[in-house]
Amino acid sequence: AQTVTQSQPEMSVQEAETVTLSCTYDTSESDYYLFWYKQPPSRQMILVIRQEAYKQQNATENRFSVNFQKAAKSFSLKISDSQLGDAAMYFCAYRRGYHTNAGKSTFGDGTTLTVKP
Amino acid sequence: DAGVTQSPTHLIKTRGQQVTLRCSPKSGHDTVSWYQQALGQGPQFIFQYYEEEERQRGNFPDRFSGHQYPNYSSELNVNALLLGDSALYLCASSSSGQARQETQYFGPGTRLLVL
Repeated sequence: AQTVTQSQPEMSVQEAETVTLSCTYDTSESDYYLFWYKQPPSRQMILVIRQEAYKQQNATENRFSVNFQKAAKSFSLKISDSQLGDAAMYFCAYRRGYHTNAGKSTFGDGTTLTVKP
Repeated sequence: DAGVTQSPTHLIKTRGQQVTLRCSPKSGHDTVSWYQQALGQGPQFIFQYYEEEERQRGNFPDRFSGHQYPNYSSELNVNALLLGDSALYLCASSSSGQARQETQYFGPGTRLLVL
């Protein structure tokens, strides 16, 4: 069974600074997707960034980028130029990629990010 | 482009009662998954519906059941409610037309409180 671990329950960053959130996962599959979701206090889960396991290039979306280390099964999220609106719970998630109706996403327990003005 | 919608936003029930939660997928999506998110934890997969059938199920008892309609909307039913069923219930949709269907989009959730 796949597992996702986020070892940092809470993180804090100063506005305009950079922060990195950690995620490790365990799987025996070779083809899968990894995601970072953001869940603000309003609770809507928003997709931040996704990474295809078969791509070596790290995904980037504006101020958000990932460091994907497939051999180490590590998938960290870097937020540059942090903004107050980045404050939220961040979830790392895994999903199998090659089956029709790939089914469930497996989530970590989240990291609460606080942004200080 | 309409995103995933869920109703109601909040619900209070008592132990032993039954509840029905509703979800309309994002426009163009035909696959719906349901998740339970306890306070301070990540979402846990309940089940997924595609072509009006349950395709995959997580580790949840038979008290949790669902349905998908021809318009792809879905319901989650929970019978014989327990205090431990209090949680945020999230609906996520995806498209079978996507290559590998890798991305799920989530609704705002329904907060269920069981007293």
